[in-house]
Amino acid sequence: EDQVTQSPEALRLQEGESSSLNCSYTVSGLRGLFWYRQDPGKGPEFLFTLYSAGEEKEKERLKATLTKKESFLHITAPKPEDSATYLCAVRDQTGANNLFFGTGTRLTVIP
Amino acid sequence: DVKVTQSSRYLVKRTGEKVFLECVQDMDHENMFWYRQDPGLGLRLIYFSYDVKMKEKGDIPEGYSVSREKKERFSLILESASTNQTSMYLCASSSSRRLGDYEQYFGPGTRLTVT
Repeated sequence: EDQVTQSPEALRLQEGESSSLNCSYTVSGLRGLFWYRQDPGKGPEFLFTLYSAGEEKEKERLKATLTKKESFLHITAPKPEDSATYLCAVRDQTGANNLFFGTGTRLTVIP
Repeated sequence: DVKVTQSSRYLVKRTGEKVFLECVQDMDHENMFWYRQDPGLGLRLIYFSYDVKMKEKGDIPEGYSVSREKKERFSLILESASTNQTSMYLCASSSSRRLGDYEQYFGPGTRLTVT
């Protein structure tokens, strides 16, 4: 069965203090790893898709990387508006179009 | 921009009532999904649909049913609402027309409270 574990559950950073969020996965043949941002009371917002080990994608202060067992979301010089819950999800080789989600990391950036 | 809309942001229903949650997407996506999200449990898939009139059970389909009569619309039905169905319900859609194009786009969510 597919498994996605995100750590830490919660992270508090000072504005400008860079850090990384982790997403470890166990999946039968990865067909995509997805990162989402979710603000309180809202639906998740798509950020990135990664398909193969070594792949990296960037958007503003966020950079996502992928290895064969985990993905990292690096946040460089975060701002208070980066505060949100970050979700990771995987798609496996069964060919199904559904994703399997982790429980997320709740990030708080303090001014 | 992809737009997924849900019929209500907040809903309060009584135990035993029949509840309809509607979702509409405007991107001609083939795939549509219903999730519920609870603290500490993350997003759990209830049902999904690959095409009109097609439906597949997700991880927690008990107590729910779905309907997809038109490509853009996917409805979640709680036949007889119970208090353990109090949750945030999220609808999503995705395309499978392009290889690798499987990211899901979510609606704003419906927070359902069953009393």
